[in-house]
Order: sequence, then structure tokens, then C-alpha cells
Amino acid sequence: QKEVEQDPGPLSVPEGAIVSLNCTYSNSAFQYFMWYRQYSRKGPELLMYTYSSGNKEDGRFTAQVDKSSKYISLFIRDSQPSDSATYLCAMSSGGYNKLIFGAGTRLAVHP
Amino acid sequence: GAVVSQHPSWVICKSGTSVKIECRSLDFQATTMFWYRQFPKQSLMLMATSNEGSKATYEQGVEKDKFLINHASLTLSTLTVTSAHPEDSSFYICSARDQGTGRANYGYTFGSGTRLTVV
Repeated sequence: QKEVEQDPGPLSVPEGAIVSLNCTYSNSAFQYFMWYRQYSRKGPELLMYTYSSGNKEDGRFTAQVDKSSKYISLFIRDSQPSDSATYLCAMSSGGYNKLIFGAGTRLAVHP
Repeated sequence: GAVVSQHPSWVICKSGTSVKIECRSLDFQATTMFWYRQFPKQSLMLMATSNEGSKATYEQGVEKDKFLINHASLTLSTLTVTSAHPEDSSFYICSARDQGTGRANYGYTFGSGTRLTVV
């Protein structure tokens, strides 16, 4: 069993839709949770980060962490074609420990 | 913001030759840099942790003699793929953490990646 599970998709939605992306994990020691966006043939860029449980909102993006269920989510409101990319969840057990990535979900937002 | 420059962005080499990839932190110092490998439609797999002034720490299953890492300064780490073979063809990405921000994990910045094709 992988430490971090993420549905690779692809996920195709119309412009303006609410997108829900999710990851589950097995290591209860994970405390730091991040979402990265990766465009084709580019390096990942950090979108959101959360420490421990709770919600965090930044513009059209909301990150949720439920440690009791070992489940994290990223919501994208009013999705745009420019949001079309691969979204990777990542997590770590310590502030300076290595990141463990999910497989990434490919998202396509069509006009 | 923190910027990590990775060069080259793509390279094609003949089987048996060696290829060097550079990773530079442009506006911050990075004691630690990380090297990842990514296959098409798959996630990033950590290959090694590069430590300035000391030997790199390799993940299990990664050949140290094949993937040579040098972190000679606080702003530069290099990955050399030695005696490359077609199975080494992949997307290689580095990342660095801005030690000065104190932001721990969410201080990681990734390079734009290098696509290596071995023919």
C-alpha cells in the first residue's frame, strides 16, 4: 500500500465548476500537508499548505485536512481553463522531513 | 519570491555518455536541495537529498555511482547521470528550501525540470 493515494484522473469539468481533489494517506505521523500545481513539462508550484487539521482558504482555493480520517482535499471554485494542470498532494511528518507525493490528478477545465 | 533555476531544460544524449544537470537557488541560500525523478503521468519520486559540503543521502534503490550529486556551494547542486542508458530517460526535478524564511516544508521551491532522453 502506498503511503499516499491519489486518483490520477483525468478529471474533466466545464468552466465555472467546483472541482474537488482528494488524497488519502496511511501514515498518522504526517503533520504538514501541501497541494502543488504542475503544468506540463514544468516543475511543481506550491498552491496551498496546511499544518495539522483544519481548513485554509486562498482566493478560489480551499484546502481541508481531516487527520482522523487521514483524508485531505483541495477545492477549486469557479474553475478556469487556466486551472488545467496536474495537482499533486504532498505531505511530511516533520518540518524538515522529506515530502511524500501523491500520484497527481490531471484536471482539464474546458470552456 | 524564491527562485530555483534548473539547466538544461531538456537534453538528448547517446547511450553510454554522461549528462550533468544544474540546480541553482537564485536569490536565497539552500543548505539542502532535493532531486526527484518523474515518469510520464506519475508522481515525483525522491532520488536523493543533497547537502552542502557533504555527501548526498540517497533513497533506497537509487544507485549512488550512477547518479552523482555534488553540492559544492549554498546555491548550486548538480546531478550527473553517468553512463546513461535509455531506461534513464525521464524528467528530473530539483527543489530547494529557503533556509532564511523559517517556513519549514512549505518553503520548498522547485526548478522547472530537465527532460532527459537517452538514445
